[in-house]
Amino acid sequence: EDQVTQSPEALRLQEGESSSLNCSYTVSGLRGLFWYRQDPGKGPEFLFTLYSAGEEKEKERLKATLTKKESFLHITAPKPEDSATYLCAVQANSGYALNFGKGTSLLVTP
Amino acid sequence: GAGVSQTPSNKVTEKGKYVELRCDPISGHTALYWYRQSLGQGPEFLIYFQGTGAADDSGLPNDRFFAVRPEGSVSTLKIQRTERGDSAVYLCASSSLAGGGELFFGEGSRLTVL
Repeated sequence: EDQVTQSPEALRLQEGESSSLNCSYTVSGLRGLFWYRQDPGKGPEFLFTLYSAGEEKEKERLKATLTKKESFLHITAPKPEDSATYLCAVQANSGYALNFGKGTSLLVTP
Repeated sequence: GAGVSQTPSNKVTEKGKYVELRCDPISGHTALYWYRQSLGQGPEFLIYFQGTGAADDSGLPNDRFFAVRPEGSVSTLKIQRTERGDSAVYLCASSSLAGGGELFFGEGSRLTVL
């Protein structure tokens, strides 16, 4: 059975303090690993897709990387507007569903 | 429309009642998903439509839950004999790619069963 575990559950950073969020996964044949951002009261917003180990994607202060067992979302010099819950999800070759982790709640203080 | 639209945004009902939640996907998106999300949890897959047909309904928790998409656009999630455990935010998402993982989510319908 597919499993996605995100850590830490919550993270508090000062503005400008870089850090990384972790997503560990097990899946029978990875079709893709996805990162989403979710603001309170909103639906998740797509950030990145990673397909194979070694792949990296960047967008502004965010960089996502992938290995065979985990993915990292690196946040460089975060700003308060980066505060949100970051969700990781995997999709198996055998199906269509995205299996989400519980998310990491990120708070960036000025 | 510009994005995925879900109605109602909030629904309060009594245990045992019937509920319908509506999703209007992005125009032209053939793939449509329903998820539900409880507080502090990630979204949980319910059902996937490709066009008019349910390609994967393995996430529906029991036969009280049913979803339709008769014309391949708007979808309705139907819940019969609601229970307090059904309380959650029900999220709809659409995609231009069949089976793709880049999903565009609506803001959700918050269901509260008293």
